[in-house]
Amino acid sequence: GAVVSQHPSWVICKSGTSVKIECRSLDFQATTMFWYRQFPKQSLMLMATSNEGSKATYEQGVEKDKFLINHASLTLSTLTVTSAHPEDSSFYICSAVSGVPETQYFGPGTRLLVL
Amino acid sequence: GNSVTQMEGPVTLSEEAFLTINCTYTATGYPSLFWYVQYPGEGLQLLLKATKADDKGSNKGFEATYRKETTSFHLEKGSVQVSDSAVYFCALQGAQKLVFGQGTRLTINP
Repeated sequence: GAVVSQHPSWVICKSGTSVKIECRSLDFQATTMFWYRQFPKQSLMLMATSNEGSKATYEQGVEKDKFLINHASLTLSTLTVTSAHPEDSSFYICSAVSGVPETQYFGPGTRLLVL
Repeated sequence: GNSVTQMEGPVTLSEEAFLTINCTYTATGYPSLFWYVQYPGEGLQLLLKATKADDKGSNKGFEATYRKETTSFHLEKGSVQVSDSAVYFCALQGAQKLVFGQGTRLTINP
């Protein structure tokens, strides 16, 4: 149980294009999902909290107009990197909350390379 | 604010050696504590957790005990295997958000 998937697993795009990453909870419903970014050999940096049916809450320093988050259902959150640039290249990981007490279960990650 | 400090890596051990990865935390209230493992090129997998003082989390031969008096949650395994090679993250959860340590890279040699 508590399986989270991400799609795509990796993507290469040209500078200036937008990229959408999906995060799905496969066997449970999640009112809250999180989006993280991880640079090579570093820890995870929380970008935003995604709540079903409401606006996402962004961490300080994260541009909400650049990283659009939509949590349209209890099993799906999407992160769209708009007008991507090479500095946006990173490993993006989502998590979904389940259980009591709440535990975060992570997706396998999406590697983005912007050329 | 909340913070987690892990022992610096990388850590290299021989197969069947005893493993300890230290983790200490600073937090207000009574957070839950977690160890996550990340294999190369993958996301994080929950390894074990403890939700209150003196709880012991265990999984796949790994153990960690929630020590409130020393604010620690050290990860241990009695006999490591090559397949345990990965990056290990200690984390605490307060108000739903996770705060991660910097990660410890573990390499096990046959």
